[in-house]
Amino acid sequence: GAGVSQTPSNKVTEKGKYVELRCDPISGHTALYWYRQSLGQGPEFLIYFQGTGAADDSGLPNDRFFAVRPEGSVSTLKIQRTERGDSAVYLCASSQGQGTDTQYFGPGTRLTVL
Amino acid sequence: AQSVTQLGSHVSVSEGALVLLRCNYSSSVPPYLFWYVQYPNQGLQLLLKYTSAATLVKGINGFEAEFKKSETSFHLTKPSAHMSDAAEYFCAVLTGRRALTFGSGTRLQVQP
Repeated sequence: GAGVSQTPSNKVTEKGKYVELRCDPISGHTALYWYRQSLGQGPEFLIYFQGTGAADDSGLPNDRFFAVRPEGSVSTLKIQRTERGDSAVYLCASSQGQGTDTQYFGPGTRLTVL
Repeated sequence: AQSVTQLGSHVSVSEGALVLLRCNYSSSVPPYLFWYVQYPNQGLQLLLKYTSAATLVKGINGFEAEFKKSETSFHLTKPSAHMSDAAEYFCAVLTGRRALTFGSGTRLQVQP
């Protein structure tokens, strides 16, 4: 079956612009996660959805970052007034949503802010 | 807070040699621990996970890891390295909030 997909695979933008990153989870997975991976580091948690609601957004670095999942499937991560420090690979993962279920990761979106 | 530390950002082994990638965790509660592998330009793929059942966990591609509570360790091993094992490996712990906390990763090189 299809895995987690993310679009675009690469995004180059200018400082101050607004960007949206999309994640399509595995069909039927109720839990969805966003992580950010900077060069040479492990992924860092941003936000976790259970269904349509954000169950934990404690990893969002500031109020320029926002994510939605209006129908409990596709999610969009939105970044306002981008800064050069936002450059990273943004990873999305999904799981069936029970306890220690495995999180399945997408290939990521590489965001470059010039 | 729960965390993991991966000792050695780069490990190089010869093809056919033992692979040992180190991971130590810090957790105030019994942890759930994971190893993921990341090939160039690909997403993270689960190798194996420990969820408080058997302490020796077998994963894909011949990898295994042993949970040692007394040493707070969850090292990843493979008896014989293959060229295709060259990748970045991440140890992770599942926090109470359901998010994974990752180590900084270990890049494995396999020399012919």
